[in-house]
Amino acid sequence: EPEVTQTPSHQVTQMGQEVILRCVPISNHLYFYWYRQILGQKVEFLVSFYNNEISEKSEIFDDQFSVERPDGSNFTLKIRSTKLEDSAMYFCASTGTGGDQPQHFGDGTRLSIL
Amino acid sequence: AQSVTQLDSQVPVFEEAPVELRCNYSSSVSVYLFWYVQYPNQGLQLLLKYLSGSTLVKGINGFEAEFNKSQTSFHLRKPSVHISDTAEYFCAVSLTSYGKLTFGQGTILTVHP
Repeated sequence: EPEVTQTPSHQVTQMGQEVILRCVPISNHLYFYWYRQILGQKVEFLVSFYNNEISEKSEIFDDQFSVERPDGSNFTLKIRSTKLEDSAMYFCASTGTGGDQPQHFGDGTRLSIL
Repeated sequence: AQSVTQLDSQVPVFEEAPVELRCNYSSSVSVYLFWYVQYPNQGLQLLLKYLSGSTLVKGINGFEAEFNKSQTSFHLRKPSVHISDTAEYFCAVSLTSYGKLTFGQGTILTVHP
């Protein structure tokens, strides 16, 4: 069964550095999402992306965050200048057309900011 | 805005016992409802979804959930659990078929031998 794949599985970065989290959505999917889960808290929506533009974003998704689909397969989340509070598990998800399709999630990238 | 409340943060249960994980939601409009499961060090896997139609929804691994509009609930049930069901379970809602998911806090189900 097709899967959403995320790399790396664990990223350790110094505070203030830029980080790029990578995702390869399922190949025929057209809607892409990023969520995050801070340790011990609920999964939170960050941003959704369709037709090469952001369709919705949360309050968390400020100017430090950006998303891009640089080619036909990758979907990336960039954090420009990381803060300690950005430490979390970041999940990528995708879904296809057809109103009954659920979002499929990757295994996540654990981001640790030192 | 929609919200989801999972009433139990942890549910311990013995193997082969029945289990119910509770989920209530708040929304002024109709919603789509989902249950996801997260095994250790893995992503979120869809258990089942309610979009419309029959209020009793059957999912994978023997789980089912019932949508109750008057109670604004979508409780997850399994008649007989296995050790392998030990995981964290998340209830989620969305307003549209492609819209963002709003998750509950999660319920850790621990199945003891």
